[in-house]
Amino acid sequence: EVQLVESGGGLVQPGRSLRLSCAASGFTFDDSALSWVRQAPGTGLEWVGFIRSKAYGGTTEYAASVKGRFSISRDDSKSIAYLQMSSLSSEDTAVYYCTRGSGDYTDWGQGTLVTVSS
Amino acid sequence: DIQMTQSPSSLSASVGDRVTITCRASQSIGIYFGTYLNWYQQKPGKAPKLLIYAASSLQSGVPSRFSGSGSGTDFSLTISSLQPEDFATYYCQQSYSTPVTFGQGTRVEIK
Repeated sequence: EVQLVESGGGLVQPGRSLRLSCAASGFTFDDSALSWVRQAPGTGLEWVGFIRSKAYGGTTEYAASVKGRFSISRDDSKSIAYLQMSSLSSEDTAVYYCTRGSGDYTDWGQGTLVTVSS
Repeated sequence: DIQMTQSPSSLSASVGDRVTITCRASQSIGIYFGTYLNWYQQKPGKAPKLLIYAASSLQSGVPSRFSGSGSGTDFSLTISSLQPEDFATYYCQQSYSTPVTFGQGTRVEIK
């Protein structure tokens, strides 16, 4: 069974940084792209970015709203993906989901809530 | 960026009704080598669930009352006979190019 478990969310002050983790199991992590999607309270889904597998260079793509502030990385030895977020603002308050793949997202984590507030 | 526009934003329907949600992309999202349009269902407090991929392919385990159609820029999701567990919000999504974009969602409520 595929499992994706996000962690690391919480309350953070504006301008500070936070790192989210996504622990994966039940599939060949090394061969998979991993994506992050967020959802602000009461709103729709917003793509954050994704990281390709090492076979495809392990490169990343980001939404314009987070480019330069957020960074996605992966540790294939631990089957964990990371979302490093910096210069956070209230507009980054959202539930952050980790998903498998770069396009059609068949598997999702339960999400972790990030609240940016002073 | 490719904009995805869903309609309606919300609808009220009864159990047993046939429901159709439409989604329009601001440019073509694939024709010959595949169509990169997916549909998701989301219930409150839960992660989205993939229902339809490649515009019309039913994801494993999804009831056959769900179907998708369309090509180019115009797509639709149909629920042939609405069931109590189908009351939720539905999103279309294009994965043809980055940034990946979602429609604004369609909330299906009980009449």
